[in-house]
Amino acid sequence: EPEVTQTPSHQVTQMGQEVILRCVPISNHLYFYWYRQILGQKVEFLVSFYNNEISEKSEIFDDQFSVERPDGSNFTLKIRSTKLEDSAMYFCASSDPHTTDTQYFGPGTRLTVL
Amino acid sequence: QKEVEQNSGPLSVPEGAIASLNCTYSDRGSQSFFWYRQYSGKSPELIMSIYSNGDKEDGRFTAQLNKASQYVSLLIRDSQPSDSATYLCAVNKLYQTGANNLFFGTGTRLTVIP
Repeated sequence: EPEVTQTPSHQVTQMGQEVILRCVPISNHLYFYWYRQILGQKVEFLVSFYNNEISEKSEIFDDQFSVERPDGSNFTLKIRSTKLEDSAMYFCASSDPHTTDTQYFGPGTRLTVL
Repeated sequence: QKEVEQNSGPLSVPEGAIASLNCTYSDRGSQSFFWYRQYSGKSPELIMSIYSNGDKEDGRFTAQLNKASQYVSLLIRDSQPSDSATYLCAVNKLYQTGANNLFFGTGTRLTVIP
């Protein structure tokens, strides 16, 4: 069964450093999303992406964040200058063009900012 | 006002019993509702979707929706220890762009006691 994959599974970085989290969505899906979950808190929407551009973004997704689809398979989230409060699980999700509201999540990347 | 509210639990039921999980939402225009299961340290796994008022059954799971009361529930029959997890209620928001994002509740932690 096709699934969303994410790398790395765990990323440790120093405050102020840039990180890039990578995702490979399900191959026939056209809508891509990033969510985050701070430990013990709810899953929060960050951004949705379609047709090579951002469709929607939350207030969390400020200028420190960017997304890109550098090729036909990868979808990345970049955090330009990490802060302690960026420590969280980051989940990528994707949905197909016929059932866009049904999102399938990847296993997540645990980001630890020291 | 929180978008999606759930009783955080924990909810403990004996093996073989029915577990009942509840969720309310604030956006009366919401059309799509989902239940995800999240094991500790893992990503959300879609288990049910529901769009119309009434019940929807899938194996041991039954989702119930009442749009007038803005209420969604999940019943798990014949609960098994492997059902022990956090259950996340999610409500979809559809934008004019065609993008979707999910608003999640904080989740209800379920423990099934052997």
